[in-house]
Amino acid sequence: DAGVIQSPRHEVTEMGQEVTLRCKPISGHDYLFWYRQTMMRGLELLIYFNNNVPIDDSGMPEDRFSAKMPNASFSTLKIQPSEPRDSAVYFCASRPGHSGRYEQYFGPGTRLTVT
Amino acid sequence: AQSVTQLDSQVPVFEEAPVELRCNYSSSVSVYLFWYVQYPNQGLQLLLKYLSGSTLVKGINGFEAEFNKSQTSFHLRKPSVHISDTAEYFCAVSDRNTPLVFGKGTRLSVIA
Repeated sequence: DAGVIQSPRHEVTEMGQEVTLRCKPISGHDYLFWYRQTMMRGLELLIYFNNNVPIDDSGMPEDRFSAKMPNASFSTLKIQPSEPRDSAVYFCASRPGHSGRYEQYFGPGTRLTVT
Repeated sequence: AQSVTQLDSQVPVFEEAPVELRCNYSSSVSVYLFWYVQYPNQGLQLLLKYLSGSTLVKGINGFEAEFNKSQTSFHLRKPSVHISDTAEYFCAVSDRNTPLVFGKGTRLSVIA
């Protein structure tokens, strides 16, 4: 299995630009999670999906952030417009839906720098 | 609501010495507990998990953790660390239906 795939691995953009981060979960996993990691705040859950449906987006910091999951094998996290304080590492994770398997599998992350 | 407290933000230890990374959790329901490791510029990798059964859980790379319900703790231990164990370690808690809630992490630095 290829694991969770994220792209790009690094993104440098200027303030005000739109940024789109992409994630391909492990095949067969029913849950998908987006996290943000910063030195100050640690790992924060932004949003998660179950069977492509957003379940909880209370962690999304502002309306500038949006996430979609159009099908079981693809999700995007979009920031528009981006700001310097959005600089962080963004992780996508997935998890099986059946009982007994509660661990989450993480992708390598996208390091976002907004100048 | 669930929460996790990792009591030490940084732990320096000499190579081949034992180490314990502390984790306390708060939850109103039955919990599942996890330890993850993050090497520089990488994602999080599962070290071990406690779902039920024996309170002593063994994981990869020689790590183990003990679930203590009365003390609401899940401390991670290794009897002899290597340079390659230098990384950030995260404790996490979940119940059956919720995402993992992570602690702020403990940076383990192994000194030669």
